[in-house]
Amino acid sequence: GAVVSQHPSWVICKSGTSVKIECRSLDFQATTMFWYRQFPKQSLMLMATSNEGSKATYEQGVEKDKFLINHASLTLSTLTVTSAHPEDSSFYICSARTLERYNEQFFGPGTRLTVL
Amino acid sequence: AQSVTQPDIHITVSEGASLELRCNYSYGATPYLFWYVQSPGQGLQLLLKYFSGDTLVQGIKGFEAEFKRSQSSFNLRKPSVHWSDAAEYFCAVGAHSNYQLIWGAGTKLIIKP
Repeated sequence: GAVVSQHPSWVICKSGTSVKIECRSLDFQATTMFWYRQFPKQSLMLMATSNEGSKATYEQGVEKDKFLINHASLTLSTLTVTSAHPEDSSFYICSARTLERYNEQFFGPGTRLTVL
Repeated sequence: AQSVTQPDIHITVSEGASLELRCNYSYGATPYLFWYVQSPGQGLQLLLKYFSGDTLVQGIKGFEAEFKRSQSSFNLRKPSVHWSDAAEYFCAVGAHSNYQLIWGAGTKLIIKP
């Protein structure tokens, strides 16, 4: 149980285009989802926390107009990288949490974004 | 300030040898503690966690970790490593206030044949 999927697993796009990444909880309802960014050979950096039906809370230094997060249902959150540039290339990972197991996060497999 | 320190950026161990990965934390209360493993290009897999109770925690793949409050440590151990254990290992602390995870920088485990 507690499986989280991400789609796509990798994406290549041209500079200036927007990319949407989906994060789904497959067998549980995710009241909270987290979005992380991971640079090569580095740890995870929390970008934002989103609660279902509410606006996401962004960490300091993360541009909310650049990284649009939507958590419209209890099983789906999306991260849209708008007007992507090469510096946005990274590994994006989502995680989800339930009310019942609120002190654990269940991670998706990640999405590799490459902006040309 | 809350923080997690993994002092070793990378560790090289011979296959079949024992392993210990260090993790120290700074946190005001008894934390929730986690160890995750990330294989190249893969997502994070939870190895084990500590919330309360027995301070020696057993996890998957033969890993264990011991919470030592006096040393603010949660070191990960395995008695005999396999080549498939080569990966990046992350220690994390879960904050009681908002349950966000505070991450260590990670330790890359290299296995010598």
